[in-house]
Amino acid sequence: QKEVEQDPGPLSVPEGAIVSLNCTYSNSAFQYFMWYRQYSRKGPELLMYTYSSGNKEDGRFTAQVDKSSKYISLFIRDSQPSDSATYLCAVPLFSGGYNKLIFGAGTRLAVHP
Amino acid sequence: DTAVSQTPKYLVTQMGNDKSIKCEQNLGHDTMYWYKQDSKKFLKIMFSYNNKELIINETVPNRFSPKSPDKAHLNLHINSLELGDSAVYFCASRPNGLSFGGNEKLFFGSGTQLSVL
Repeated sequence: QKEVEQDPGPLSVPEGAIVSLNCTYSNSAFQYFMWYRQYSRKGPELLMYTYSSGNKEDGRFTAQVDKSSKYISLFIRDSQPSDSATYLCAVPLFSGGYNKLIFGAGTRLAVHP
Repeated sequence: DTAVSQTPKYLVTQMGNDKSIKCEQNLGHDTMYWYKQDSKKFLKIMFSYNNKELIINETVPNRFSPKSPDKAHLNLHINSLELGDSAVYFCASRPNGLSFGGNEKLFFGSGTQLSVL
């Protein structure tokens, strides 16, 4: 089983829709959860991170962690065409004395006007 | 100023050739990485260096050899290129590789699109 599983989509929504992006993870010891956004032909950029359970809000974006079900979500309110990108969830994995960031497969999102 | 820069941006080559990709970061970070992203956008870690020392070496064919001449540079040399090596290779850096406090994000370059014909 992969450490992080993510539905690759693609997901196509109209402008203004609420978008829900989801990942599941396997290791209950994970503490930090991150969402990266990757525009076409660019490198990923950190969008949000959360620690442990609960919600974190930043403008139109809300990151949510449910540790009991090992489920992480990213919600986008009032989605815009500029939100069209690939969204990757990520968790730090401690291995061999160092932490490395493990990414989900990424979900491609298209927001059409 | 570009924080993490990779060259070349595109690389098209024949099977069996040897090629190198260069990466430089001007952020003063201690830790650098190489990631490979396949056609399905799956991003997988390959190597990591901390202050010029190799700290992460995933199950990667030994045709791939990273080199870090100093902590601001991490190059990737690939011998005997194969069709399956076609992918986008990303260099990344962060302040240090010892822990993740949640806010220690990775800074990625724009990627090198490698196409092996």
